[in-house]
Amino acid sequence: QVQLQESGPGLVKPSETLSLTCIVSNGSISGYSWSWIRQPPGRALEWIGYVLDTGGTNYNPSLKSRVTISLDTSKNQFSLKLRSVTAADTAVYYCARRVDTILVTDAFDIWGQGTMVTVSS
Amino acid sequence: DIQMTQSPSSLSASVGDSVTITCRASQNIGAYLNWYQQKPGKAPKLLIYAASSLQSGVPSRFSGSGSGTDFTLTIRSLQPEDFATYFCQQSYTTPKTFGQGTHLEIK
Repeated sequence: QVQLQESGPGLVKPSETLSLTCIVSNGSISGYSWSWIRQPPGRALEWIGYVLDTGGTNYNPSLKSRVTISLDTSKNQFSLKLRSVTAADTAVYYCARRVDTILVTDAFDIWGQGTMVTVSS
Repeated sequence: DIQMTQSPSSLSASVGDSVTITCRASQNIGAYLNWYQQKPGKAPKLLIYAASSLQSGVPSRFSGSGSGTDFTLTIRSLQPEDFATYFCQQSYTTPKTFGQGTHLEIK
C-alpha cells in the first residue's frame, strides 16, 4: 500500500518560506499527480495545488503568487514551498495523491498523516 | 470559488443507527463530489467519489447520492469505527473546495 509522509520544520518565522517534503513509499511517484492540502485550526480544508507527473502544476488562485510545488522522481518525493508566510498560513499541512481518471475526477485517495506548521516569530 | 456547506456540523448517534449528512454546493457541480472520513490524528480516507461510487475497500454501509447542488452521505447500521469527522469536496472546478466537516460522535 502506497504511503505518504510529510516532513519539514514545525515553526517558520513570518515573511520566510515554508518548505515541506512528502516522501512516497511502497510505490512509484510516476504516473500520478500529487497534491498539498492544508487545514488551519478550526477551519475547513484548503486545497493548495498539485503537480502532475509531467511536472506541470495547478495552484489555488488565492495562493498562486506564493506557491511552488515540485517533483523529484529520483527521490520519489515531492515538495511544497510557500513564500512570505504570515500567521494566516498556520495549519496542518497534508500531502495527498490525486486521482483523475474517467471515473474518478480530482479526488485524493491517499493522504499523509499531516504535519503542523506554525508561523510565529 | 464554489462554497461547500455541510449540515449538521455535529451529530450524535448510537451504534446501529443510520445517519445522513448533507453537503450543499453554492452552484451546480453535477456529480463532481467526493466524501472523506477523518479520525483524530489520522490521515483522511476517501469514501465516495463521483457522488455515489464507493471507493475500493469501503464497507457497503456507506452510500452517497445527489447531483447538482445537493448531496448526501448515508451511513447505515453505524459501527464503533465510524465515529469520525466527514467532509465533502467538489472536484468540478479549480480551486477544489471542501466542506467544513461534520463531526459524528457516539451518543
